[in-house]
Amino acid sequence: QLQLQESGPGLVKPSETLSLTCAVSGGSISSSSYYWGWIRQPPGKGLEWIGTIYYSGVTYYNPSLKSRVTISVDTSTNQFSLNLNSVTAADTAVYYCARRQRSSSFRDYWGQGTLVTVSS
Amino acid sequence: QSALTQPASVSGSPGQSITISCTGTISDVGGYNYVSWYQQHPGKAPKLIIYDVSNRPSGVSNRFSGSKSGNTASLTISGLQAEDEADYYCSSYTSSTTWVFGGGTKLTVL
Repeated sequence: QLQLQESGPGLVKPSETLSLTCAVSGGSISSSSYYWGWIRQPPGKGLEWIGTIYYSGVTYYNPSLKSRVTISVDTSTNQFSLNLNSVTAADTAVYYCARRQRSSSFRDYWGQGTLVTVSS
Repeated sequence: QSALTQPASVSGSPGQSITISCTGTISDVGGYNYVSWYQQHPGKAPKLIIYDVSNRPSGVSNRFSGSKSGNTASLTISGLQAEDEADYYCSSYTSSTTWVFGGGTKLTVL
């Protein structure tokens, strides 16, 4: 059974960089059949797609976040990561990692989510 | 990119059917058959219930169905049950090779 688990600091100061990692177990992140992505949800609000990475390192980002976001993959540890710089209170959200099947909208496995609060 | 448009709330009685709409543009919903729907209960991660407009993942009740006409996708839930009370989100691929979500719809089972 595939599992995704987010990890990282729960509190980040304004103007600093938010860094999260998603550990994938029960399957290989190097599979050519899937993309790996990040989605966030501010408290009480809707879902926002942040970006996606393929095992080869190809990335796609939300245009509204593109200047601040970097998603990377480490196939040796079966993990992928999110870095969001210059954060503000508006970046406070539950951050989810998820898997999506290539050539489909089949986004079937999600992590449990991790709350990141931006505050001094 | 703009979020897809969903009604903020819908409601129905047990046993009834409801439909949630998801309106986009030709650059997203109307241009691709990559529309998915997610169910989210409070404090939980979203759960995929429909993908590629009208396909159900294994294990999802056949009371959930999806369709699309033009720039609007729809999720229909038949035989409403108390456990269906949740937030529902649509999502679509876009011409910019990105993905966009709808604003979400809160379903209340009366």
